Amino acid sequence: TQLLEQSPQFLSIQEGENLTVYCNSSSVFSSLQWYRQEPGEGPVLLVTVVTGGEVKKLKRLTFQFGDARKDSSLHITAAQPGDTGLYLCAGLNTDKLIFGTGTRLQVFP
Amino acid sequence: NAGVTQTPKFQVLKTGQSMTLQCAQDMNHEYMSWYRQDPGMGLRLIHYSVGAGITDQGEVPNGYNVSRSTTEDFPLRLLSAAPSQTSVYFCASSYSKGRWGLRRYNEQFFGPGTRLTVL
Repeated sequence: TQLLEQSPQFLSIQEGENLTVYCNSSSVFSSLQWYRQEPGEGPVLLVTVVTGGEVKKLKRLTFQFGDARKDSSLHITAAQPGDTGLYLCAGLNTDKLIFGTGTRLQVFP
Repeated sequence: NAGVTQTPKFQVLKTGQSMTLQCAQDMNHEYMSWYRQDPGMGLRLIHYSVGAGITDQGEVPNGYNVSRSTTEDFPLRLLSAAPSQTSVYFCASSYSKGRWGLRRYNEQFFGPGTRLTVL
């Protein structure tokens, strides 16, 4: 079974702080996705990274795919309360999408 | 478009009961899948389908059956519910092929989930 470990598992920060979430695996993935999930709802896709070393930006969120395509990071600059949620990474292996363990972020005003 | 719909939203079962979780999508997606979400474990793939008439097992298929008779529908059946199946279940769909038959990145559109409790 392929595993995607995310760290930290929980993160509570004040509005305006920066943070980084990590997604690590011993397996290589053809692409990697990041989702955000709010309470009582299904996950929603934020971004897909495909090429080793690729960096994508979505407003204050920066996503990076590791050179070896085994790991990824999500960096949030100047976090806001609206960023609160569960962040999930997911790696694609042929037909299957394998999800990470999740990072629960809470941003306090 | 309604996207991905799931029914029911909540369900309580007794051990040994059977039930079917319904999932439908109106986006003409080829790929559909079922996940369960438990605290601290992210989402785990139960079963998936790459098209009508084709299904395959994911990471945790035991205790669950699926079928895919149409592109739109992908029901998940619990034949004899157990307390270990208490979880939140999500159905998802995605394109599996691009215009030239190349595989896309399987970017998933999720339904709102079904919260199942087995007593």
